[in-house]
Amino acid sequence: GAGVSQSPSNKVTEKGKDVELRCDPISGHTALYWYRQRLGQGLEFLIYFQGNSAPDKSGLPSDRFSAERTGESVSTLTIQRTQQEDSAVYLCASSLFDRGSQPQHFGDGTRLSIL
Amino acid sequence: GIQVEQSPPDLILQEGANSTLRCNFSDSVNNLQWFHQNPWGQLINLFYIPSGTKQNGRLSATTVATERYSLLYISSSQTTDSGVYFCAVLLSYNTDKLIFGTGTRLQVFP
Repeated sequence: GAGVSQSPSNKVTEKGKDVELRCDPISGHTALYWYRQRLGQGLEFLIYFQGNSAPDKSGLPSDRFSAERTGESVSTLTIQRTQQEDSAVYLCASSLFDRGSQPQHFGDGTRLSIL
Repeated sequence: GIQVEQSPPDLILQEGANSTLRCNFSDSVNNLQWFHQNPWGQLINLFYIPSGTKQNGRLSATTVATERYSLLYISSSQTTDSGVYFCAVLLSYNTDKLIFGTGTRLQVFP
C-alpha cells in the first residue's frame, strides 16, 4: 500500500515569506508526527497528533510554527515569516497509535531552503 | 533529558566486510527503531526492536533494554549500504515522540 506522502518535495522561498508543507499519512494510521532535520544532524521532534488533536507541541521552535490536522488524514505544517535558520528537511511520520507499540513510518520529507 | 549515543560516528568499509553499530541510551525506553538514511535522504525502517534479536537478510539487530543498548549488525556489506544509520527510542514515560541518536555514517567502497 501507499506510504506516507509529503509535498512539495522541495521548496525554495525568500526570507519573510510564509510556507505550507503537507503530509498524507498511511491510511488508517491515527498518530502523525512532524520532525525537522538540519543539515548533517539527526531528527528533532516538532509536534504530534492523535486524530486531529495535538497533545504534544513541545518541539515547535517558535510561534511562527503551527500545524493542523483534518480528522485522521492530512496534516499541514505552516511556517510564517520564514528565517534562514528554518532551512532544513521537514519529515512527517505516521503510526497505528498504541502508546508506542507500533513503529513510525516516515515520508521522504520536504527540503526547505530559505534564501 | 535522555541521551542517545551511537558509535562509531563514522565507519569506512570495503565491500564484503562485516560491521557492528552500537546505540546506547540513558533512560528506560518503551521501544527502539533502527533506520537507514540513504544518500538521497530517505529514511528507511530497518527494525522495530524493543527487545530481543531480529534478522532481515544481511542485517540483524539485538536490543538489551535492561542494559540500555542496542546493536545493529551488517554482514557482507554492499555499496548500497552506504548512508547514515540512526537509532531512535521512545521513552517509557513519554511515548509520543522518537528521540534520535547522533547517527553512524557508513561508507562502503567497492
